[in-house]
This record gives sequence, C-alpha cells and structure tokens, in this order.
Amino acid sequence: QKEVEQDPGPLSVPEGAIVSLNCTYSNSAFQYFMWYRQYSRKGPELLMYTYSSGNKEDGRFTAQVDKSSKYISLFIRDSQPSDSATYLCAMSGDTNAGKSTFGDGTTLTVKP
Amino acid sequence: EPEVTQTPSHQVTQMGQEVILRCVPISNHLYFYWYRQILGQKVEFLVSFYNNEISEKSEIFDDQFSVERPDGSNFTLKIRSTKLEDSAMYFCASSERGTGGKLFFGSGTQLSVL
Repeated sequence: QKEVEQDPGPLSVPEGAIVSLNCTYSNSAFQYFMWYRQYSRKGPELLMYTYSSGNKEDGRFTAQVDKSSKYISLFIRDSQPSDSATYLCAMSGDTNAGKSTFGDGTTLTVKP
Repeated sequence: EPEVTQTPSHQVTQMGQEVILRCVPISNHLYFYWYRQILGQKVEFLVSFYNNEISEKSEIFDDQFSVERPDGSNFTLKIRSTKLEDSAMYFCASSERGTGGKLFFGSGTQLSVL
C-alpha cells in the first residue's frame, strides 16, 4: 500500500464548476497537510497548508483534513481555465517536516 | 516576492560524468532540501540540510550524491558519477522553519543523462 494515494484523474470540468481533489494516507504520524499546484515542467507551488484536522479556506480554495479517516480534500469553487494544472497533495510529520511525501498528482483541465 | 532560483534549467551529461546542480534558497530560510521528479512520476524527497549538515536523506540519496552549502547563499547537489536512471527534474526547496511543511520550490533543473 502506498503511503499517500491520490485520485489519479485526469479531471476535465467546465469553467465555473466545483472541483474536488482527494488523497488518502496510511501513516498516522502525518501532521502537516499541503496542496501544491504544479504547472508543466515547473516546481510545485504551495497552495494550501493545514496542520492536523480541520478546514481551511483561502478565496476559492478550501482544504479539508479528516485525520480519523486519513483523508484530505481540496475544493476549488468557480473553477477558472487558469486553474488548469496538476495538483499534488503532500504530507509530513512533526520531525523534519520538510521531508514531505507527495501523492502522484491529479491533472485538472478547466474548459472555457 | 522572494523565490528559490536554480541553475542551470537544463543539464545534459554523459553517463559516468559528474554534475553539480545549483540553488539559491530564499535568503532568510534556514532549511534546505532537494527533491526529484522522474518524468510521469511523483515528487520524491532526496535530502534535507540544516546548520551545515544533512538532517535526513532518503534511500535514493546514496554515496553518489552529496550536498554542500559552499557560501552564505548557494546550496548545491553533486552527483559524482551519473547513471541513466538519474535523469529527472531536480527541485531545490527551502523553508523558514524545520517544522510545518511549508516548502518553497525552485523551477527545477532538468537533468538528462545520455
């Protein structure tokens, strides 16, 4: 079993749709949960960051963490063509939290 | 906005040659990392570096790899004798603190080993 599993995609939605991206994990030591956006052949860009369980909202983006189910989600409201990218979930523990374990990524295309 | 810069953006080398990938982390960051991404695969942790020493390394980071902070601004990854399977995009990242997982990545160096 992979330590982090991400819904594979690809995902194609019309502009304005609500997008749901999801990851599950098996390591109970994970405490920090991140979502990165990656454009083709570029470095990951931090989008959302959550510590432990709960929700966090930033503009059109909402991150949810359910540690009891070992499940995290990223919701994008009113999706735009500029949201088209690969989205990576990543997780780390308390010790050396810079050592993040990434999911495989979900490629999202938002069509005008 | 401060950013992590990496040079070169592309590096082509022959198998068995040494390569050095360079990074300038964000200036007030204290923790530095190298990750790599083989084409079509996930981003993988290689090594973390703090206070002039390696704090953790993955199984990938074997004796052929080394890291160095030669001065107050640069952070380098050296691969001593490259192999075909070292072909990947290498990302440098930095963070302000060692906890929290908030990494800031550079744009990467695409390494092609022929």
